[in-house]
Amino acid sequence: AQRVTQPEKLLSVFKGAPVELKCNYSYSGSPELFWYVQYSRQRLQLLLRHISRESIKGFTADLNKGETSFHLKKPFAQEEDSAMYYCALQPAGKLIFGQGTTLQVKP
Amino acid sequence: DTAVSQTPKYLVTQMGNDKSIKCEQNLGHDTMYWYKQDSKKFLKIMFSYNNKELIINETVPNRFSPKSPDKAHLNLHINSLELGDSAVYFCASRLQGRQSPLHFGNGTRLTVT
Repeated sequence: AQRVTQPEKLLSVFKGAPVELKCNYSYSGSPELFWYVQYSRQRLQLLLRHISRESIKGFTADLNKGETSFHLKKPFAQEEDSAMYYCALQPAGKLIFGQGTTLQVKP
Repeated sequence: DTAVSQTPKYLVTQMGNDKSIKCEQNLGHDTMYWYKQDSKKFLKIMFSYNNKELIINETVPNRFSPKSPDKAHLNLHINSLELGDSAVYFCASRLQGRQSPLHFGNGTRLTVT
């Protein structure tokens, strides 16, 4: 079965602390994985994709095929990072989302 | 301004009514989607069209009928609205191909009373 699991509904950290938002996937083929972010009152937008291996707004995510994980990390959280984060798997053009994790960065 | 735009932004209606949500994209994408975000913020795919052809049709009540007059538009018509249809509906588009990301509209918040 194709599935994305984000085990944490809410992650609350202080500004400057490291952040890791967990994502595990279930897919038998070669996965296409993404992180999307939804800031308050804004549209859902792409944050990063695994194939790019880039850092966006200080966030990185590494695909670990052995652990079937694609965790999102940032070494020093900022208040403006507070948002809803979705991990997504894209098999055959159909984007499957995890349940989402709300990141709350406290001052 | 290149974007995915959907109207209306808010829709409040009574049970049993029929309503439509419109979506348009000017990004030159060939594939469009409707997603439903429930009260727990869970996003679930409903439909997808590629070049006006239905390619994904998840388990959605047949009261929901998508229509794509051309590849830049994908509208969603809902008949006999029920309380459980209350949600935020997102339109999205992309270019078909590996690693091509989705571009989302702002969402339509539907409230059925």
